[in-house]
Amino acid sequence: AQKITQTQPGMFVQEKEAVTLDCTYDTSDQSYGLFWYKQPSSGEMIFLIYQGSYDEQNATEGRYSLNFQKARKSANLVISASQLGDSAMYFCAMREGRGAQKLVFGQGTRLTINP
Amino acid sequence: DTGVSQNPRHKITKRGQNVTFRCDPISEHNRLYWYRQTLGQGPEFLTYFQNEAQLEKSRLLSDRFSAERPKGSFSTLEIQRTEQGDSAMYLCASSPLGDYGYTFGSGTRLTVV
Repeated sequence: AQKITQTQPGMFVQEKEAVTLDCTYDTSDQSYGLFWYKQPSSGEMIFLIYQGSYDEQNATEGRYSLNFQKARKSANLVISASQLGDSAMYFCAMREGRGAQKLVFGQGTRLTINP
Repeated sequence: DTGVSQNPRHKITKRGQNVTFRCDPISEHNRLYWYRQTLGQGPEFLTYFQNEAQLEKSRLLSDRFSAERPKGSFSTLEIQRTEQGDSAMYLCASSPLGDYGYTFGSGTRLTVV
């Protein structure tokens, strides 16, 4: 079974609109962390936001927020007021278990912001 | 500090040749990771080091792959007898102890012809 599922291969959004990128995960561990990364065409993976499984509040970082629904095992990324520079691949990832270091990534969503 | 540095950025090699990639992490970061990313996929974990100790290796890291971090600073990833299936982006990342965030480098793109 896929550990991380991103069901949207591509998304097209008008500049300044908000966009939600979906991510569902599968784990039996109680302790885990969820991450979102951005990968522009240059190839570098840029860390955006982190949510711990015990965090009660949804994580926010500037224009990024993570809609964490633990019972549904979903961790959607919300980007408010999208900008042209947001066009990139976006990856959801999970680290399972206390002290674990390995990240498991989903297949990604390609986001295109239209002017 | 300019972040995680990977060299070379691109490598084209003939099938059967050996290749070596280098990663220079952020200087104060104890942990270093290698991932492989094929076209249209998310990165896949290969291995990670804490200082000079290699603490975890993926089954993806076949006998032809070896990684080292001899002095706990830079790391090398060597692929022996390359195959066309080794063509991918090889990403390095580093993090300090106790931190949940990785910093990735820009990767080395390997093409095996």
